[in-house]
Amino acid sequence: NAGVTQTPKFQVLKTGQSMTLQCAQDMNHNSMYWYRQDPGMGLRLIYYSASEGTTDKGEVPNGYNVSRLNKREFSLRLESAAPSQTSVYFCASTGGPTYEQYFGPGTRLTVT
Amino acid sequence: RKEVEQDPGPFNVPEGATVAFNCTYSNSASQSFFWYRQDCRKEPKLLMSVYSSGNEDGRFTAQLNRASQYISLLIRDSKLSDSATYLCVVILVYNFNKFYFGSGTKLNVKP
Repeated sequence: NAGVTQTPKFQVLKTGQSMTLQCAQDMNHNSMYWYRQDPGMGLRLIYYSASEGTTDKGEVPNGYNVSRLNKREFSLRLESAAPSQTSVYFCASTGGPTYEQYFGPGTRLTVT
Repeated sequence: RKEVEQDPGPFNVPEGATVAFNCTYSNSASQSFFWYRQDCRKEPKLLMSVYSSGNEDGRFTAQLNRASQYISLLIRDSKLSDSATYLCVVILVYNFNKFYFGSGTKLNVKP
């Protein structure tokens, strides 16, 4: 099993450009999440999706949009990138009943 | 106030030492607890869940103290490969879809 996969692994954007980060899981999990992690800081939740067809804001949703395309895939879109969005982005998924969360390898995004 | 707080460290210990980390949580409705390990520039990986009665996995022991609202992680016989950042995670009983992560405690195991 691949678990949680993310693409791309690295990306450099100019201010104002847009891009979509892709995430997929093959564990048949209902819930999926997008986090960002800034240097020396903890994970902050951007958006989550409790099930296919639903999405909810997390702690830091401004500047981002998400799509839960199907049960496997959950994408994160930056419409107009800003230098403050330079970060490492992690996708994660969770399946019951133990609520253990599994992470993808991350996307390292730099906005110049 | 943060939902989950951890001492950032670093904890610098020699190989073979025993080291313990604590993590405090603010919400008494916290229901599920985990320890994750994160290596530099890598994704967090589940180390162990924390059960009410405490649990052990090899050299690692996790404890939960609901009265004082903290969880702990004990590592015995530290290895160089244990060097990492350890993240404490809690989930609230009324919102199993939100995970609250601590900022992590950094452990350096020295030869």
